[in-house]
Amino acid sequence: EAQVTQNPRYLITVTGKKLTVTCSQNMNHEYMSWYRQDPGLGLRQIYYSMNVEVTDKGDVPEGYKVSRKEKRNFPLILESPSPNQTSLYFCASSVQGDYGYTFGSGTRLTVV
Amino acid sequence: GENVEQHPSTLSVQEGDSAVIKCTYSDSASNYFPWYKQELGKRPQLIIDIRSNVGEKKDQRIAVTLNKTAKHFSLHITETQPEDSAVYFCAPGTYKYIFGTGTRLKVLA
Repeated sequence: EAQVTQNPRYLITVTGKKLTVTCSQNMNHEYMSWYRQDPGLGLRQIYYSMNVEVTDKGDVPEGYKVSRKEKRNFPLILESPSPNQTSLYFCASSVQGDYGYTFGSGTRLTVV
Repeated sequence: GENVEQHPSTLSVQEGDSAVIKCTYSDSASNYFPWYKQELGKRPQLIIDIRSNVGEKKDQRIAVTLNKTAKHFSLHITETQPEDSAVYFCAPGTYKYIFGTGTRLKVLA
């Protein structure tokens, strides 16, 4: 089944403790992206990647890191999480940058 | 920065009526114009999209129209059904996409 898989689905962590949210797609998509969704603010793009080893900042990259060492994986790293990073995170992929996204099922992160 | 606005923010219609949601954007370089539907507690799903060389596209009860000169595109849903109740997002762009803040559609039975 073609899908984008995110892990974990839920995560509660403490301020400053480094964490990684994994994202993997099995559709051989070139383009991958991370979004956060907050009430009243819609989905805001954190980072995107047009291909392996090519990443670029979205609108809200501060406090996040990404890497794209393999085509299928695009992990999101929070080196020192803070409470304002409490949010619902979605990973998405598409064939190329100007095609529709397939979204993962989301990761609900709480930083206390 | 680039700006994307959706109107209305909420919309209630009677079952069987039509619904129209408008998305206005500022980036003239945008050439891809998708609409996503997000049901409560679920992930967004692409429902229809259009590219800048096309003015209108239809898929059964849904359609999207694009006015690139005026920088807006609209989602049209005809013969609405209760299962159309969801939040709808536009996301115009090219490689870098800005989502609108969403329109909550309620279809009243």
